[in-house]
Amino acid sequence: AQTVTQSQPEMSVQEAETVTLSCTYDTSESDYYLFWYKQPPSRQMILVIRQEAYKQQNATENRFSVNFQKAAKSFSLKISDSQLGDAAMYFCAYRRGSNFGNEKLTFGTGTRLTIIP
Amino acid sequence: GAVVSQHPSWVICKSGTSVKIECRSLDFQATTMFWYRQFPKQSLMLMATSNEGSKATYEQGVEKDKFLINHASLTLSTLTVTSAHPEDSSFYICSARDSSDQGYLTGELFFGEGSRLTVL
Repeated sequence: AQTVTQSQPEMSVQEAETVTLSCTYDTSESDYYLFWYKQPPSRQMILVIRQEAYKQQNATENRFSVNFQKAAKSFSLKISDSQLGDAAMYFCAYRRGSNFGNEKLTFGTGTRLTIIP
Repeated sequence: GAVVSQHPSWVICKSGTSVKIECRSLDFQATTMFWYRQFPKQSLMLMATSNEGSKATYEQGVEKDKFLINHASLTLSTLTVTSAHPEDSSFYICSARDSSDQGYLTGELFFGEGSRLTVL
């Protein structure tokens, strides 16, 4: 079974600084997707960034980027120029490739990010 | 982007009653939807996979007769908590995948706003 581990229950960062959230996963599959989701106080899950396992290039979305280390099964999220609106729970998630027909997401336990003004 | 709507967003009911939560994909078709449960300050736990036109697939430990799922159309899945008890109080979240070719390629799932159930 696939597992996703987030070892940092809470993190804080000064506004405008950079913070990195850690995520490791365990799988025997070669085709899969990795995601970072943000859950603000409204509880709405928002996709931050996604990474296909077959792509070597790390995904980036504006201030958000990942460090995908496939061999190490590591998938960290870097937030640059942190803003107050970035405060939320961040969940790392894993999903097997579509070819397998099993599309459910497995979530990590989450990291609560606090932005210090 | 694709929108998934859940209703109601918050419901309070008496113990022993049944509650229905709807999950709708507003601008795309979804042959597959997923129902998650989230306890306070915890992660999302998958309860079941809802498949249009067929029976839902439940995760181990989830009571099928307790949490009835119906996916009667390509845009609507419902979760009914039957004979609700206080321990069923939780935040329930649905997600859906766009059934189009593009949705298949991206693999992205879209989430509803969630429904908070409180059973008195």
